This record gives sequence, structure tokens and C-alpha cells, in this order.
Amino acid sequence: GENVEQHPSTLSVQEGDSAVIKCTYSDSASNYFPWYKQELGKGPQLIIDIRSNVGEKKDQRIAVTLNKTAKHFSLHITETQPEDSAVYFCAAPYSSASKIIFGSGTRLSIRP
Amino acid sequence: DTGVSQNPRHKITKRGQNVTFRCDPISEHNRLYWYRQTLGQGPEFLTYFQNEAQLEKSRLLSDRFSAERPKGSFSTLEIQRTEQGDSAMYLCASRARAGAPSGANVLTFGAGSRLTVL
Repeated sequence: GENVEQHPSTLSVQEGDSAVIKCTYSDSASNYFPWYKQELGKGPQLIIDIRSNVGEKKDQRIAVTLNKTAKHFSLHITETQPEDSAVYFCAAPYSSASKIIFGSGTRLSIRP
Repeated sequence: DTGVSQNPRHKITKRGQNVTFRCDPISEHNRLYWYRQTLGQGPEFLTYFQNEAQLEKSRLLSDRFSAERPKGSFSTLEIQRTEQGDSAMYLCASRARAGAPSGANVLTFGAGSRLTVL
């Protein structure tokens, strides 16, 4: 079915430590995997994405890894800062890439 | 362009009333999405437009929900005979046409329209 599972649902890390959020998708035809960040009172905003022809992508402190065989992809945030506190969503396309399905979200809290 | 605009931002209504939300997408984006988000959950797909054509609609979407995009620009989402379970944030997102020079895969969200049904 059309499903994107995300965990953990909440994550608390010490400032400066790393955070990892994991997602699993079900459609083997999915070829694009974005991550969105949602702050209070705002809509989700894209922070990084990866296509299925690469295994890893980095953008400063943020990286995404993809394991197509296992249908897993993960978000890695290094050297976490207070402004990283937010809800993070993974997503994957279904139905010829037109329908984008989101995970249930991870609330990340950065402890000072 | 100021991004995706949604109105109203907040709507409080009584059960049984009809409500309508409007979304103005980024002007050059031909694809438009509606999602519903409840507290602590991810955005739930409702429907998708390419230009004026509604190409996808969630099977979970009740017949009380209808969306239109008559000229391929702004879109409206109407909920008839609202129920308390309809209380949620309704998010609109737009997306560039397939094959656009950059960002064709990116959904750009509006700030949402929060519905409270009493």
C-alpha cells in the first residue's frame, strides 16, 4: 500500500550532538525522497532531498542516505543547534510520482 | 512572487455549516496539492491538480469534500456539512511543472488554513 513509516516520533538530543531520523517506504517505484522541516505555525519546508540514483547527499550539517534494497532512507543532522528544534517529515512519491505521501513526523528537541 | 497564499488562516464554524478555503499557488507552478494535517501527524494527501484537471483524489476523502481549480491558477477546497472530525489544518502546496529547470520535485507549502468545528 501507500505508506511511509517514520521513527522515532520524538527525539531529544544535546546541543552539538547528532540526530538521526529513519523512514521506510513501500513502493519500489519511488525514486525521489525529500525531507521537510515544519516550525510552529508554518507549512512544511524542504530542507534536503535525494534521488534514487544516489546513495547519499550532504548539505552542510544535513545529510540523507538511501538504501533502495531495504527501502530505507535516513536524515542525519550533525552538530545540532537550537534552531534545529522542529518537526521533521520524510516523504515519498506514489502513483507515477504525482502523489507525495508523508511520514507521521519526528519532533526534534535540542537540549541546551 | 510571495509564495503560496492560503485564506482564511483560521476558521471557526458550527457543525453542519459549509466552509471554503482558497489557495493561490506560485504563479508559474502548474501542479497543486491539498493536504490535511491533524495534531501530531504528518500531512495527509487529499487531492492533486495538474493545471485545471483533478488527477488524484484520496479514497479516504468523503463526498462532503470537493476541490476545484477552474482556471488552473487558484484552487478552492469546500467542506459541506462540517463535522467535528473535520477540525484540522488544511495545507495547500504547489509544484513546478515536470521537467522545469529547477525544483520540479519540490512542494512549496502555504502556511495553512486551520479549521475548528464546534
